[in-house]
Amino acid sequence: GDSVTQMEGPVTLSEEAFLTINCTYTATGYPSLFWYVQYPGEGLQLLLKATKADDKGSNKGFEATYRKETTSFHLEKGSVQVSDSAVYFCALSQIQAQGAQKLVFGQGTRLTINP
Amino acid sequence: NAGVTQTPKFQVLKTGQSMTLQCAQDMNHNSMYWYRQDPGMGLRLIYYSASEGTTDKGEVPNGYNVSRLNKREFSLRLESAAPSQTSVYFCATKPPGQGGKLFFGSGTQLSVL
Repeated sequence: GDSVTQMEGPVTLSEEAFLTINCTYTATGYPSLFWYVQYPGEGLQLLLKATKADDKGSNKGFEATYRKETTSFHLEKGSVQVSDSAVYFCALSQIQAQGAQKLVFGQGTRLTINP
Repeated sequence: NAGVTQTPKFQVLKTGQSMTLQCAQDMNHNSMYWYRQDPGMGLRLIYYSASEGTTDKGEVPNGYNVSRLNKREFSLRLESAAPSQTSVYFCATKPPGQGGKLFFGSGTQLSVL
């Protein structure tokens, strides 16, 4: 079945460092790809998305490019801030038989940014 | 505008007890979902409801039942709780035509002793 694999955490960086969180997927067809972020004590929030190959999603300084040839959707940010400390989830979306969409999530990567 | 509201926020059960997790949304979304979140395993789909009156199993439905009471409410029931059901449970909704953009509640932390 469809699956998403993320780099294992936790990841600890200093403020203003460059961030990469790797994500690869296995899916039939052409799924949409997403990054969600979960701040402490909260539910997940959509960070960015890409719906077709070579699309680049971006938001709040984060970027990810849908790479069909490598089945990857790596998350990057040029200069992280303490406020970026959170758990990041990569996910893919597939449409089911009744038209409902299901998201398949990766295991999450905990990011801690030190001042 | 409350969005997605889950109750309770915390719950401790003994093995064999039953309980219902409540989820209500005020965004008029058709699709609703229940996920569980476990360390190192991400979120796994328990059940989902594409519209009022329909429910379908997700990846890990065993030990759970759901009810889509109306468009607003989607409840998750544990009939006989087991320690393996200790987890954080999230309800989510999806608006039509928004791809995979889900709106999540803040979660219910459940411990089964």
